[in-house]
Amino acid sequence: QSALTQPRSVSGSPGQSVTISCTGTSSDVGTYNYVSWYQHHPGKAPKLMIYDVNHRPSGVPDRFSGSKSGNTASLTISGLQAEDEADYSCYSYAGNSLWVFGGGTKLTVL
Amino acid sequence: QVQLQESGPGLVKPSETLSLTCTVSGDSISGYYWNWIRQPPGKGLEWIGFIYYSGRTMYNPSLNSRVTISVDTSKSQFSLNLSSVTAADTAIYYCARYGYGYDGNPTHLVYWGQGTLVSVSS
Repeated sequence: QSALTQPRSVSGSPGQSVTISCTGTSSDVGTYNYVSWYQHHPGKAPKLMIYDVNHRPSGVPDRFSGSKSGNTASLTISGLQAEDEADYSCYSYAGNSLWVFGGGTKLTVL
Repeated sequence: QVQLQESGPGLVKPSETLSLTCTVSGDSISGYYWNWIRQPPGKGLEWIGFIYYSGRTMYNPSLNSRVTISVDTSKSQFSLNLSSVTAADTAIYYCARYGYGYDGNPTHLVYWGQGTLVSVSS
């Protein structure tokens, strides 16, 4: 299976909203609602932010939300804060017990 | 609080086998799926494979012929062996546990280790 496609970078000013896309195919994102998103600060373990497309684990601010349309999933961060600056990766089930990550997106808070 | 800790050599010679162990604490290893993931320098995350506590495995097809994941429930550990390594296998290696989603299936990586850098060089 091929990696999911994410923009290399996105940016926004504090208080603004940004959306990171994650494009797959009808074999993964388009068929299964098993898309999750991870925040990754350099030198730290990735942190689960969204699972099953649009569910937030306890402790994750409601500024983070997820959605899906067709073969593309999206992570939206509203009310951008400085500490949101990090890498974000999507992850999807691809059928037959196989899984695939996106290439990762670097979020810069201006 | 579930904690995972990777351990193993930080330097492996080309053509040799990379071996890492993940030690789980704070919860039982039973009943869950355990994963290995890696991130080469400057690149995105790559799923390597998983093992169920019972021993069932699944590997990324791109690595399938070189990967073996095993579990030792008595030690609360699971391990990764990657054979015939090259410089392309240089990466931070993470272990992680699946969490169960709303439909009862394992759908996301809920707990992660801090990662360990493995370099392949002579």
